[in-house]
Amino acid sequence: NAGVTQTPKFRILKIGQSMTLQCAQDMNHNYMYWYRQDPGMGLKLIYYSVGAGITDKGEVPNGYNVSRSTTEDFPLRLELAAPSQTSVYFCASSYGTSGGASYEQYFGPGTRLTVT
Amino acid sequence: EDQVTQSPEALRLQEGESSSLNCSYTVSGLRGLFWYRQDPGKGPEFLFTLYSAGEEKEKERLKATLTKKESFLHITAPKPEDSATYLCAVQARGSARQLTFGSGTQLTVLP
Repeated sequence: NAGVTQTPKFRILKIGQSMTLQCAQDMNHNYMYWYRQDPGMGLKLIYYSVGAGITDKGEVPNGYNVSRSTTEDFPLRLELAAPSQTSVYFCASSYGTSGGASYEQYFGPGTRLTVT
Repeated sequence: EDQVTQSPEALRLQEGESSSLNCSYTVSGLRGLFWYRQDPGKGPEFLFTLYSAGEEKEKERLKATLTKKESFLHITAPKPEDSATYLCAVQARGSARQLTFGSGTQLTVLP
């Protein structure tokens, strides 16, 4: 299994440009997440999905959009990039049920984005 | 609002010098507390999940413990390869399993 994969690894955007960060997982996890990590800070949740066709906002969703048309893929769209979106972006996935059980999240290698 | 505070921010140890990292948390009903290791330029790597006060888990030189307000990651006789940033995160009951992370402790083990 490849686990969680992310592309691209690095990207430089000009202010106002748009791009899509790709994320895929091959573990048949139904839960997927997007986080951003700024230097010296913890990871902040941007968006999450509990299954294909279902997405919801996290703590810092402004400036981003997501879609989840399949179990495997969870792309993150940046519209009108701004310098404040310079960060490292991590995608994660986990198994999940409607019950009380808790399952660890598995993270991808990250995408380092610079907006200038 | 769920909060996680980790201390110290950075820790330098000599090889073989044991120590502990602290994670203090406030959460509206704890479903689980997670420890991750993150190497530079990589994604977090799962280490442990703790569910209830009094629980302990071990893996090689690492041991994680949990109380009602904090968790400790004890590192016994560390080696240089243990150098990394250690992240603590909590998952609240009633959430869609999203994690609230602390800002991490950057551990450096000198040979």
